[in-house]
Amino acid sequence: DTEVTQTPKHLVMGMTNKKSLKCEQHMGHRAMYWYKQKAKKPPELMFVYSYEKLSINESVPSRFSPECPNSSLLNLHLHALQPEDSALYLCASSPYTHVNTEAFFGQGTRLTVV
Amino acid sequence: GENVEQHPSTLSVQEGDSAVIKCTYSDSASNYFPWYKQELGKRPQLIIDIRSNVGEKKDQRIAVTLNKTAKHFSLHITETQPEDSAVYFCAAIKFGRRSQGNLIFGKGTKLSVKP
Repeated sequence: DTEVTQTPKHLVMGMTNKKSLKCEQHMGHRAMYWYKQKAKKPPELMFVYSYEKLSINESVPSRFSPECPNSSLLNLHLHALQPEDSALYLCASSPYTHVNTEAFFGQGTRLTVV
Repeated sequence: GENVEQHPSTLSVQEGDSAVIKCTYSDSASNYFPWYKQELGKRPQLIIDIRSNVGEKKDQRIAVTLNKTAKHFSLHITETQPEDSAVYFCAAIKFGRRSQGNLIFGKGTKLSVKP
């Protein structure tokens, strides 16, 4: 299995809602990432988990809360989002963070905040 | 920190022609340079990568060159086909605390191949 699977594929939520994005990989990768991608822009790194521990938080607002329940799963909990948070949220994984290796991306969750 | 510049932002070529996309990076410690292709509405997918101990790598119609001294690397696509139309992102690995490496992306190049 060489896939990174994200659910849901599309999500529409109100500014008072609480929702979660899910990501799963079974490649034995020990590094997992959340990226945010706005239209016509490159992916922007949000969070990095290394061996299930949060290692990097790129100054992301607290309305985004990541969680790594185990080495195969990565969640992104959303609460009180703003319309400008609408974007494609990409999960990725790689064998490790400290060596030069390929990152595999999931197909993304397209989030719309209304 | 690492900064990756990518040019051009848009590129239009005729089917069968070659396309070249160039990137520069700022951190001489970067040692991994992947190229991702992203079709509209889809995930970024790795198409080729190069490590700093190699100057050139080729995979069928796609090649990447790296000039460590000048800190730039380029993607070359020969015999372009309409299905090559997509946004291409270069990236460099940025090393932060505890030597953790994370990808820093260029702004992307929208390639259009006209039949």
